[in-house]
Amino acid sequence: DAMVIQNPRYQVTQFGKPVTLSCSQTLNHNVMYWYQQKSSQAPKLLFHYYDKDFNNEADTPDNFQSRRPNTSFCFLDIRSPGLGDAAMYLCATSRGGGGTSYEQYFGPGTRLTVT
Amino acid sequence: AQRVTQPEKLLSVFKGAPVELKCNYSYSGSPELFWYVQYSRQRLQLLLRHISRESIKGFTADLNKGETSFHLKKPFAQEEDSAMYYCALSYQGAQKLVFGQGTRLTINP
Repeated sequence: DAMVIQNPRYQVTQFGKPVTLSCSQTLNHNVMYWYQQKSSQAPKLLFHYYDKDFNNEADTPDNFQSRRPNTSFCFLDIRSPGLGDAAMYLCATSRGGGGTSYEQYFGPGTRLTVT
Repeated sequence: AQRVTQPEKLLSVFKGAPVELKCNYSYSGSPELFWYVQYSRQRLQLLLRHISRESIKGFTADLNKGETSFHLKKPFAQEEDSAMYYCALSYQGAQKLVFGQGTRLTINP
């Protein structure tokens, strides 16, 4: 089945220790997104890639970076995680173009714990 | 700025009763509205979008531009409808979503 895969599903890191979360997709979609979802809150968009074009949200902290080496993979790097960065991180993909917004396909998420 | 409001964090109804999940949005242009659902231990997935104007799993939603609302309705709730529901807004071509806070729907037997 074509899908969005996130690894690992659970990640524990120490305060200040860099961590990378991974997302891959078999849908061949142009657009890949990273969301942060804290407990009982809505998913909040951090940034997205339209092909190789990176689009950062204005309020995304500099501590969060992303890489998209090819169509299938996208990484979320947290350079110096703080306790406030503990959350579920969701990756999503969608088609792009056409002047309309397409359905987003979500991965299962990575739950990040910061100790 | 675009904003989506779901006024009810929790909603509980009995099986067979009608259900309505409220969603209001703030956007001055032509919005694209979606309902996403997350069942227990499953990933977030699209339930329906206003452009399609279709009924999915018995749910419908009508975009009311005058009231800036996109409420989700089902005439007879089923236990399998218990889930977290998110209303989301996109603006043409923006390729990104603004989510509401979500409503946890519980269907009691």
